[in-house]
Amino acid sequence: DQQVKQNSPSLSVQEGRISILNCDYTNSMFDYFLWYKKYPAEGPTFLISISSIKDKNEDGRFTVFLNKSAKHLSLHIVPSQPGDSAVYFCAASYQGAQKLVFGQGTRLTINP
Amino acid sequence: DSGVTQTPKHLITATGQRVTLRCSPRSGDLSVYWYQQSLDQGLQFLIQYYNGEERAKGNILERFSAQQFPDLHSELNLSSLELGDSALYFCASSVDIAGGSTYEQYFGPGTRLTVT
Repeated sequence: DQQVKQNSPSLSVQEGRISILNCDYTNSMFDYFLWYKKYPAEGPTFLISISSIKDKNEDGRFTVFLNKSAKHLSLHIVPSQPGDSAVYFCAASYQGAQKLVFGQGTRLTINP
Repeated sequence: DSGVTQTPKHLITATGQRVTLRCSPRSGDLSVYWYQQSLDQGLQFLIQYYNGEERAKGNILERFSAQQFPDLHSELNLSSLELGDSALYFCASSVDIAGGSTYEQYFGPGTRLTVT
């Protein structure tokens, strides 16, 4: 049962444009959502998070939007830079869950 | 650098063998988590330890076990290895208050296990 889904395995964006990565979830108990970035041969790196009491959280070029009614979140990167090329994982958790549930990742490629 | 260390970086072994993966959490973190990532899949939660005690279990096979030592480092033991156990194994740590929730976790660089 895939509780967190990233339906786009890959995404290609031109440098300077906006990258939008999407994530859907099915478990209504999830109340905290995170995005991780992963380069090859490295562990995932925490990027940004959002609590279910908010619908938007911004950190520099990165903004995460949460639509609870649609059980959907998205990560916007503006402007996209070549160093943003990586695999992005969406993850979710809830009070007392003791673990993160990850999506399968989206490979983002930023083209010069 | 997340502050989480894992050894070894790579491990190649044969079917039927047993291996031990080691993880040292960030300074001050009491919780350690183990995840498995197979073939460009998402990370699958295996097990969590908090301050030396098992706190949560995920899809961990009976052939696998883990422990957390008094100095808070953790080991993941994989036995009777099969070809399908070939994967990346990540350790993560976090600051949790006792009974608190799991939110940001910080990951080590992983151990790539290849079973031949």
